[in-house]
Amino acid sequence: QSVLTQPPSASGTPGQRVTISCSGSSSNIGNNYVYWYQQLPGAAPKLLIYRNNQRPSGVPDRFSGSKSGTSASLAISGLRSEDETDYYCAAWDDTLSGPVFGGGTKVTVL
Amino acid sequence: QVQLVQSGAEVKKPGASVKVSCKASGYTFTDYGINWVRQAPGQGLEWMGWISDYNGNTNYAQKFQGRVTMTTDRSTTTAYMELRSLRSDDTAIYYCARGAYYYGSGIQKIDASDIWGQGTMVTVSS
Repeated sequence: QSVLTQPPSASGTPGQRVTISCSGSSSNIGNNYVYWYQQLPGAAPKLLIYRNNQRPSGVPDRFSGSKSGTSASLAISGLRSEDETDYYCAAWDDTLSGPVFGGGTKVTVL
Repeated sequence: QVQLVQSGAEVKKPGASVKVSCKASGYTFTDYGINWVRQAPGQGLEWMGWISDYNGNTNYAQKFQGRVTMTTDRSTTTAYMELRSLRSDDTAIYYCARGAYYYGSGIQKIDASDIWGQGTMVTVSS
């Protein structure tokens, strides 16, 4: 059971906007930065969003992150076929004194 | 370019130990730390711990304390993760990832893992 809660799946048609939620508590999301990782099949995770809403160089602006209270969201606008993969949220947890991950969300492009 | 290159796949018997290496290049090794994250087959990501490449300080997840040791070698810019008393449920891909840190409310916290190694498959089977 993951500390952060994500829906197991999300879907949309090409060009649509898809949002993935990540729910936590005051000891993690509520008091710390949120990160998002994209993991393509058979590959290592890739940093997509850091410090709630910042994009590393090279990440398209179709990807955006937000945080409110003890929840966070990743939005993918202009959905493309190559976005079909797994996404994980993460945050530092003050009680556990380490980072915690969500269980992951598989995005399907219909 | 900035990269982390990990050692190859391992097959171990229950009760044995495994040591995975992670060679860093393309950046100042001592400016960052290294996280170790594992992923069991078909499962999500699990943080195991972090080591500072600057002073060797470590922060292990409680689940692995007593069974894991993380070290670094500045001379070869390589990080190592050793896991002992292996069980079948330790079968997973083990990743190293570059991680900086910051201070929040006076506590050192790990920042984003921005560069990842390619992963090392460790299989524990009798």
